[in-house]
Amino acid sequence: DAGVIQSPRHEVTEMGQEVTLRCKPISGHNSLFWYRQTMMRGLELLIYFNNNVPIDDSGMPEDRFSAKMPNASFSTLKIQPSEPRDSAVYFCASSPRDRSTDTQYFGPGTRLTVL
Amino acid sequence: QKEVEQNSGPLSVPEGAIASLNCTYSDRGSQSFFWYRQYSGKSPELIMFIYSNGDKEDGRFTAQLNKASQYVSLLIRDSQPSDSATYLCAGGGGSQGNLIFGKGTKLSVKP
Repeated sequence: DAGVIQSPRHEVTEMGQEVTLRCKPISGHNSLFWYRQTMMRGLELLIYFNNNVPIDDSGMPEDRFSAKMPNASFSTLKIQPSEPRDSAVYFCASSPRDRSTDTQYFGPGTRLTVL
Repeated sequence: QKEVEQNSGPLSVPEGAIASLNCTYSDRGSQSFFWYRQYSGKSPELIMFIYSNGDKEDGRFTAQLNKASQYVSLLIRDSQPSDSATYLCAGGGGSQGNLIFGKGTKLSVKP
């Protein structure tokens, strides 16, 4: 079975540009999570969807970040405008259960560099 | 802010030895605990989960949970160089709600 799919795997952009990260969760999974990982802060939850509905977006850093899940097989995380401090690895994860505290399966990540 | 704390390491053990990784958590209501392994440049990969006090064994891995003392540990028996990675501890289900990840312990297994 295919795991969580993310694209692009690497993204280099200039400050001020819009960045869109994409995620396809494992088929049949009910929950989807967006995380950001940096050396300083570790792995941080940005937003969590259950059955395509945003449940908790308290980790979204500011209004420059937005996320959508238009259907059960696709989600996007958008940063507009991007800033150098947004440089990080962004992971998407999915879970077969409804609770955010059940087992999560991670995608390969998108390494974002904002110059 | 609820936290999950881990020693960043690096923890260095010789091949064949037991590696012991520890994690403490601040949210006493946490109910679910996970250990993930992350190789450099890769994504976190689930090793084990534990919900109940005591030990849970899976092959060379044993997870231990002590809710009274609020710590979780992972033992790796017969450590192999391929076990060299960063190990992330995560806990959740308490007042914080979602899973909170520690920053990880880097393990190095020397041949």
